[in-house]
Amino acid sequence: QVQLQESGPRLVKPSGTLSLSCAVSGGSISSSNWWSWVRQSPGKGLEWIGEIFHSGNSNYNPSLKGRVTILVDKSKNQFSLKLTSVTAADTAVYYCARRFKTFDIWGQGTMVTVSS
Amino acid sequence: DIVLTQSPDSLAVSLGERATINCKSSQSIFFSSTGFNYLAWFQQKPGQPPKLLIYWASIRESGVPDRFSGSGSETDFTLTINNLQAEDVALYYCQQYYSSPFTFGQGTKLEIE
Repeated sequence: QVQLQESGPRLVKPSGTLSLSCAVSGGSISSSNWWSWVRQSPGKGLEWIGEIFHSGNSNYNPSLKGRVTILVDKSKNQFSLKLTSVTAADTAVYYCARRFKTFDIWGQGTMVTVSS
Repeated sequence: DIVLTQSPDSLAVSLGERATINCKSSQSIFFSSTGFNYLAWFQQKPGQPPKLLIYWASIRESGVPDRFSGSGSETDFTLTINNLQAEDVALYYCQQYYSSPFTFGQGTKLEIE
């Protein structure tokens, strides 16, 4: 059974870069799925951030205005998220998820706070 | 972007009764070439990630009890929970995967009356 686990700093300073990784276990990241990031904040509910295929093809939510980069590392069977120029509005629980049709497997999520 | 609007925002239902949650899309999410509606339903309990319940608007994910059912087409969809159990207390979200950016409804809070 595929499992996902997020990791990364829980506190990021304003104007800094949020960096998270998602480790995939129980399956290969090179399978025919898209690998996504979704965040959840009290003010905006669930928001899809973007996704990547093992080939490196990626799609991003335009609402994040080019601040997002998602990369895949097949050697480590993981993918990552970088969000630049963060503000308090980026404070949220960040989830990684597998998308086959839709988001069928989720990590437990990690709370990231943007604060000085 | 496709906007999904759920109703009601919250509801309280007695144990053993039926709960109905609606989801309206700002545009059709039915793809005629596949014959599918690109809509899913999720359940989220406190401190947990969302759990996929229904996809293609009406197909239950493996392991989901058959008291959960989905219906609807094009722009109007419904999640029905029959014989409500205490463990069904949660937030419920609809989500479209018809087009990027993928979007979610604002959520419906289900409580026991």
